[in-house]
Amino acid sequence: KAGVTQTPRYLIKTRGQQVTLSCSPISGHRSVSWYQQTPGQGLQFLFEYFSETQRNKGNFPGRFSGRQFSNSRSEMNVSTLELGDSALYLCASSARAGPTGELFFGEGSRLTVL
Amino acid sequence: AQSVTQLGSHVSVSEGALVLLRCNYSSSVPPYLFWYVQYPNQGLQLLLKYTSAATLVKGINGFEAEFKKSETSFHLTKPSAHMSDAAEYFCAVGGEGNTGKLIFGQGTTLQVKP
Repeated sequence: KAGVTQTPRYLIKTRGQQVTLSCSPISGHRSVSWYQQTPGQGLQFLFEYFSETQRNKGNFPGRFSGRQFSNSRSEMNVSTLELGDSALYLCASSARAGPTGELFFGEGSRLTVL
Repeated sequence: AQSVTQLGSHVSVSEGALVLLRCNYSSSVPPYLFWYVQYPNQGLQLLLKYTSAATLVKGINGFEAEFKKSETSFHLTKPSAHMSDAAEYFCAVGGEGNTGKLIFGQGTTLQVKP
C-alpha cells in the first residue's frame, strides 16, 4: 500500500512568487491535514480537509490556502511568498476525520524562499 | 485551548540505558495524546496514542507511555535504548473541537551513545 506522496520534495522560490504543493493520501483515506515545520516555530497546523470540505484552519494569514479534490488529493498554495515561509510542509492523511484517526505523514515538501 | 510542553530539547543516553522523554499537556477537553518520531529528512511516524482507553499505552519499537491525568503528563519511555532510536520525538495533543488538529510540542532530540 503506497504511503502519502508529496510533490515536489524540494523547491526554491523568490520573494513575491507563489507556490503550489501537492499531496496524494493513502488510498481510501479521505482526511488530509497540512502542517508547517520550521526550526523556530516547530510544527504548526495549517488545514484539515475531509471529503472536499475544510474542517479546520490554523492561525495563518490568508496567503495560505488549500483545497481537496473529489479523489481526496489535496493542494496547498502560498501566494506572495515571504522569507519566513521557508519551511518543511508536511501532509498527513487519515482514514477518518476527527482526533481518533491515526495520521500518516508524507516526507514533506521543503520550500526555500530567497 | 490546548498546549504541549516537552521538557528537554536534547536528551542523551547510552545504548542499553532507559529512555525517558517528558511531555506535559494542557487541555480544556479530554485530551487525545500522541507521540511521533521523525528521522532526518523524513515525515513523522506514529509511535503510540492515548484515546481514553488504557492509561498505559504500548507502541512500536518497544516504546510505551503512561497517561497521568493528575500530573497532566504523558511521558515516553523505553527500557533499553538502541542506536536506531536516535531521532527527534514529538508529543502532541488533540481532541479540541472534535477535529483532527494536533498541537505539537517543540520536540526532543534523542542521542544514543555507544
